[in-house]
Amino acid sequence: EVQLVESGGGLVQPGGSLRLSCAASEFIFSNYEMNWVRQVPGKGLEWVAYISSSGSAIYYADSVKGRFTISRDNAKKSVYLQMNSLRVEDTAVFYCARDRNMILGMDVWGQGTTVTVSS
Amino acid sequence: IQMTQSPSSLSASVGDRVTITCRASQSISGHLNWYQQKPGKAPKLLVYATSSLQSGVPSRFSGSGSGTDFTLTISSLQPEDFATYYCQQSYSSILTFGGGTKVEIK
Repeated sequence: EVQLVESGGGLVQPGGSLRLSCAASEFIFSNYEMNWVRQVPGKGLEWVAYISSSGSAIYYADSVKGRFTISRDNAKKSVYLQMNSLRVEDTAVFYCARDRNMILGMDVWGQGTTVTVSS
Repeated sequence: IQMTQSPSSLSASVGDRVTITCRASQSISGHLNWYQQKPGKAPKLLVYATSSLQSGVPSRFSGSGSGTDFTLTISSLQPEDFATYYCQQSYSSILTFGGGTKVEIK
């Protein structure tokens, strides 16, 4: 079964760091672009970051630019989100999602991992 | 690019025809996708590139539009369709979602 599984969420203090991971299975990971999307509980979806299949193209939402870094390891079939200088407003469920040429929609999503930023 | 959905919520009955609108702040050609999300679950891709139905999605769902104005239509609402729906533009490299439309049972 085609699957994405996120991990690495948890409770962190404001100003702290966290690294999220997303492991892919049952598809050729190196052929696909990947995104991170977050959702504050009870609110809408917010796109966070994108990485191309080779890692050569990376884009961020303005709200996280300079604080978050997306990366991937195609040999490990994984994509990562390094989150630094975390703020209370970064509290959310973070999803990784597979993309198709960036224009055909995000067709596979993980189950999400929860990040809570609180003192 | 800002994406504005309307309405933000609606109440409908099983069998009703439901239409959700999404407006972009500038032309996005046909680069518009629709997702369905149920409580506690990840979003699910329904329609991509304005009108192409994702594999496995029932044919009662359809999408249309161009430029800045887009529509998701459910021809005959089923019990499993009560959920929140989001549009998303993929014209810009900075992706954006609409605010969502919650479809509730009347």
